[in-house]
Amino acid sequence: EPEVTQTPSHQVTQMGQEVILRCVPISNHLYFYWYRQILGQKVEFLVSFYNNEISEKSEIFDDQFSVERPDGSNFTLKIRSTKLEDSAMYFCASSEPRDGYEQYFGPGTRLTVT
Amino acid sequence: KQEVTQIPAALSVPEGENLVLNCSFTDSAIYNLQWFRQDPGKGLTSLLLIQSSQREQTSGRLNASLDKSSGRSTLYIAASQPGDSATYLCAVRDYYGGATNKLIFGTGTLLAVQP
Repeated sequence: EPEVTQTPSHQVTQMGQEVILRCVPISNHLYFYWYRQILGQKVEFLVSFYNNEISEKSEIFDDQFSVERPDGSNFTLKIRSTKLEDSAMYFCASSEPRDGYEQYFGPGTRLTVT
Repeated sequence: KQEVTQIPAALSVPEGENLVLNCSFTDSAIYNLQWFRQDPGKGLTSLLLIQSSQREQTSGRLNASLDKSSGRSTLYIAASQPGDSATYLCAVRDYYGGATNKLIFGTGTLLAVQP
């Protein structure tokens, strides 16, 4: 069964460093998303991406964040200068119209900023 | 602003019981609603998707209902098993003259099924 994959599963970085989280969405999906979940809190929407551009973003998704689809399979989230409060689980998801836009999530990347 | 609430926050039941998890949302203008399962430290597994025009969806021992006008959804789990132990999340996708992309999540119900 097709699934969303994410790498790495765990990333430890120092405050101020840049990180890139990688995702491979389900191959025939057209809509891509990033969410995050701070430990013990709700899952929060960050950004959605369609047709090679951002279609929606939350107030969390400030200038420190960017997304890219560098090729036909990968979808990345970059955090330019990490802060302690960026420590969270980051989930990638994808969807397509034929499925009623049901969103399928990856296993997540746990980002720890020290 | 859409708010999603789940009750109860935690639930412990003996194996074999039927149970109901509740989800409520403040704005009835939704495009769809999804129920997810999350195991500790893991990703989200989609269980059921209900479109705004539907009243219920079934998958195996799971049945989800949607009452959009009252802002409620329930997830019914029949004949619970220890393997059902996990956190169950509901999430809504808003609709304001056009569907937004984002899912708005509730805080979840932590379910423990005792053998």
